[in-house]
Amino acid sequence: KQEVTQIPAALSVPEGENLVLNCSFTDSAIYNLQWFRQDPGKGLTSLLLIQSSQREQTSGRLNASLDKSSGRSTLYIAASQPGDSATYLCAVTSPVFGNEKLTFGTGTRLTIIP
Amino acid sequence: GAVVSQHPSRVICKSGTSVKIECRSLDFQATTMFWYRQFPKQSLMLMATSNEGSKATYEQGVEKDKFLINHASLTLSTLTVTSAHPEDSSFYICSAESPDYNEQFFGPGTRLTVL
Repeated sequence: KQEVTQIPAALSVPEGENLVLNCSFTDSAIYNLQWFRQDPGKGLTSLLLIQSSQREQTSGRLNASLDKSSGRSTLYIAASQPGDSATYLCAVTSPVFGNEKLTFGTGTRLTIIP
Repeated sequence: GAVVSQHPSRVICKSGTSVKIECRSLDFQATTMFWYRQFPKQSLMLMATSNEGSKATYEQGVEKDKFLINHASLTLSTLTVTSAHPEDSSFYICSAESPDYNEQFFGPGTRLTVL
């Protein structure tokens, strides 16, 4: 059974700092890994999707890496801004009985202090 | 492109009533739709997977008679919470998948409160 864990559960950093969020998964047989952002009471916004054959993806100030063999991914946020405050979820897509199933991590609640 | 909508965004109902939530893919055809539930400060948990024109596949521990899922067309799936109870209060999120995109696109969620 695939399990996804995110550390830390919560993180507060001053504005302008660079930061790293961590995600680990137990089964390396994945199709892809995604990072999402969720604002309080809202749905999910997809940030980055990394295919299993890729090592990293970049979008603006965000960079996500994937080490499939060790079951780890990191989301790097450069020059953090108060608007980055949100909960960040990672999720992996795994084959389950011939279908694809998305398993979410527990999330990291990020607060950027102005 | 790849927009998914949900309706309603928020619903409050009395215990014992049924509530229907709609999930629509607005600009693509979704062969598969997924329903998730999220309790406060917890992650999303998959409830069921539905393929257009066939019965939904429910995750372990999810009552199929309580959470009725209908995927009648390639752009619409509905989740009906039957005989709702306060413990069903949660945030319900759907997602839709297209073979063209190889990823799931998420709706904005529906906040259900059962009094």
